[in-house]
Amino acid sequence: DAGITQSPRHKVTETGTPVTLRCHQTENHRYMYWYRQDPGHGLRLIHYSYGVKDTDKGEVSDGYSVSRSKTEDFLLTLESATSSQTSVYFCAISESKVFYGYTFGSGTRLTVV
Amino acid sequence: AQTVTQSQPEMSVQEAETVTLSCTYDTSESDYYLFWYKQPPSRQMILVIRQEAYKQQNATENRFSVNFQKAAKSFSLKISDSQLGDAAMYFCAFRSNFGNEKLTFGTGTRLTIIP
Repeated sequence: DAGITQSPRHKVTETGTPVTLRCHQTENHRYMYWYRQDPGHGLRLIHYSYGVKDTDKGEVSDGYSVSRSKTEDFLLTLESATSSQTSVYFCAISESKVFYGYTFGSGTRLTVV
Repeated sequence: AQTVTQSQPEMSVQEAETVTLSCTYDTSESDYYLFWYKQPPSRQMILVIRQEAYKQQNATENRFSVNFQKAAKSFSLKISDSQLGDAAMYFCAFRSNFGNEKLTFGTGTRLTIIP
């Protein structure tokens, strides 16, 4: 969607390999988020960032790490992928001044085999 | 921690009819936002409607309206004159005005439109 892009859109990887998903925004928003979507669970927060180098854990952070070295980029890394991390991953951004909700990326479907 | 409950995993409605999707939430706070998001088969998450808790008036966006009952912690979405393009997953979400703007989502309701 305009202003936020995720890459890749699809990825298949093997168990035990590291994987990095990228989220890039052009809106200069302060807040960025990584969620995973699974049937029966909705969207669950993995990690979020409230500024450059400022990150915090969400409710399902085990097995994931993040980095934000620039305002526009937020990376999600699976250090050693497992089959339980097969999911659709969404990045989202928001601005703090007036909260109108998130703007979402188009999602990454990750399959760990 | 806040929780959001969508008790209807699936709903269906005849085209041109009206359907209501349910959402309840649990919070001890008084200042917050509620949202409905739509996710069509394209996977894109689309904001449908937004409600501020301190506003008594129910939000409306064209054919979409909400019934916000703050005391009951209920936030249902009504879709009038249902169209084929309304077929999607619908997620209810909560955001406190305290903290880092995180949204908490329900598990979703899959809406099917019957031609």
